[in-house]
Amino acid sequence: AQSVAQPEDQVNVAEGNPLTVKCTYSVSGNPYLFWYVQYPNRGLQFLLKYITGDNLVKGSYGFEAEFNKSQTSFHLKKPSALVSDSALYFCALIPGDFNKFYFGSGTKLNVKP
Amino acid sequence: GAGVSQSPRYKVAKRGQDVALRCDPISGHVSLFWYQQALGQGPEFLTYFQNEAQLDKSGLPSDRFFAERPEGSVSTLKIQRTQQEDSAVYLCASRSPSGPTQETQYFGPGTRLLVL
Repeated sequence: AQSVAQPEDQVNVAEGNPLTVKCTYSVSGNPYLFWYVQYPNRGLQFLLKYITGDNLVKGSYGFEAEFNKSQTSFHLKKPSALVSDSALYFCALIPGDFNKFYFGSGTKLNVKP
Repeated sequence: GAGVSQSPRYKVAKRGQDVALRCDPISGHVSLFWYQQALGQGPEFLTYFQNEAQLDKSGLPSDRFFAERPEGSVSTLKIQRTQQEDSAVYLCASRSPSGPTQETQYFGPGTRLLVL
C-alpha cells in the first residue's frame, strides 16, 4: 500500500532562516516523489520531483529536497526563507505508471518578517 | 492553452441539485485526472482518463459521481443529487504523454463546490 505522511500541520520560520518541511512515505516498489505548493484559492503548483538519480533534487524558487531511502523520507528544504514562501505544501507519491497521486495532508508554512 | 483551466471557479448548490464541473487540459496532454480536496486535507484521486477512455474510476465516492471526456480533450465531472459531504474543491490535472515532464501532473485552479 502507498501512503504519505507529513507530520507537521504547521511550520513557522523567520525570514532569512533555513526551512525544512518533512515528508515520509511508504510504498511497495520504487518511490516517485513530488512536492507541490498551494497558494490560497489557487491550484497546486509543481515544485520538484524525485524519479531516479541524484538524491538531492533542486526545484523552483530555490527549493530543494533530499531523498533518503533508508529513512523513507523526502524532506523539502530552502536555505533562506522568504515571506512569499508562506503557503500550503504537499508531498505526494506516485506509483510507476504515474497515474494516481497519493498526497500527504499538507503542511502550512508561515514565514514571518 | 497555457495551463489547465476549470469552470466555474465557485459553485453553490442546494442539496439534491445536480452540478457539472468542467476541465480544459493543457493542449496536447492526453492524460487527465480529477481529484477531490476536502477542507484541510490533501487531494484525493477520483478518476483518470487517457484520451477519451476512462481507465481508472476507483476513487469516485459513489454512483452519484460521473466523469466523461467524449472527445479526448475537455472533461466534465458531474455530481448528481448533491449532498453536503460533497462540498470540497475539485481539482483537475493533466499530463504530457512524453518528454522530460511526462511524470508531472499540472493542476488547474480548482472548482470550489459548496452544497447547502
